[in-house]
Amino acid sequence: GQSLEQPSEVTAVEGAIVQINCTYQTSGFYGLSWYQQHDGGAPTFLSYNALDGLEETGRFSSFLSRSDSYGYLLLQELQMKDSASYFCAVENYGQNFVFGPGTRLSVLP
Amino acid sequence: SQTIHQWPATLVQPVGSPLSLECTVEGTSNPNLYWYRQAAGRGLQLLFYSVGIGQISSEVPQNLSASRPQDRQFILSSKKLLLSDSGFYLCAWKGQDSGNTIYFGEGSWLTVV
Repeated sequence: GQSLEQPSEVTAVEGAIVQINCTYQTSGFYGLSWYQQHDGGAPTFLSYNALDGLEETGRFSSFLSRSDSYGYLLLQELQMKDSASYFCAVENYGQNFVFGPGTRLSVLP
Repeated sequence: SQTIHQWPATLVQPVGSPLSLECTVEGTSNPNLYWYRQAAGRGLQLLFYSVGIGQISSEVPQNLSASRPQDRQFILSSKKLLLSDSGFYLCAWKGQDSGNTIYFGEGSWLTVV
């Protein structure tokens, strides 16, 4: 089967650093993506990892370990506007994008 | 630049009524197209995807169907809606040159009453 696991909720304060983990089990793997979704809105693309290692984009970084079927999204210098749900997603060999259940991040003042 | 449009944005339909959601993509050719559903506060469930005109793959058996009559048009339909069909429906696309990334439309909120 295909499955992705993420923590359901994470809470942190403004200015802090938070890490959202994702483990996956899929039929084929091209890469791991991360999406952000604010309440009532559509998911928006944040980052993508095809190879092992860390990718940095501003305050956000994403890491992948293919051998461990594991990745994480790192958010630094948290801001109130970062409060949202975060989804990891895998593209498998069937050209499907399978999403994790999402992690709801609450940033407190 | 590429854009994706999805409509209607919101709709309230009675049980047993038909459904048609439409999605179009501009600025790209031969995209992969996807329909996802998201229940309130939940994850994204892949319903259908298409790699070309007339080519539809279904991920979840249900009373919904999808069609792709043109290269950049993707339609989600139902002949008779169920209460459990309520949710947030999202169309998405992946271009031949957009890497391993999909981009979502604005979404359609469906409430079946």
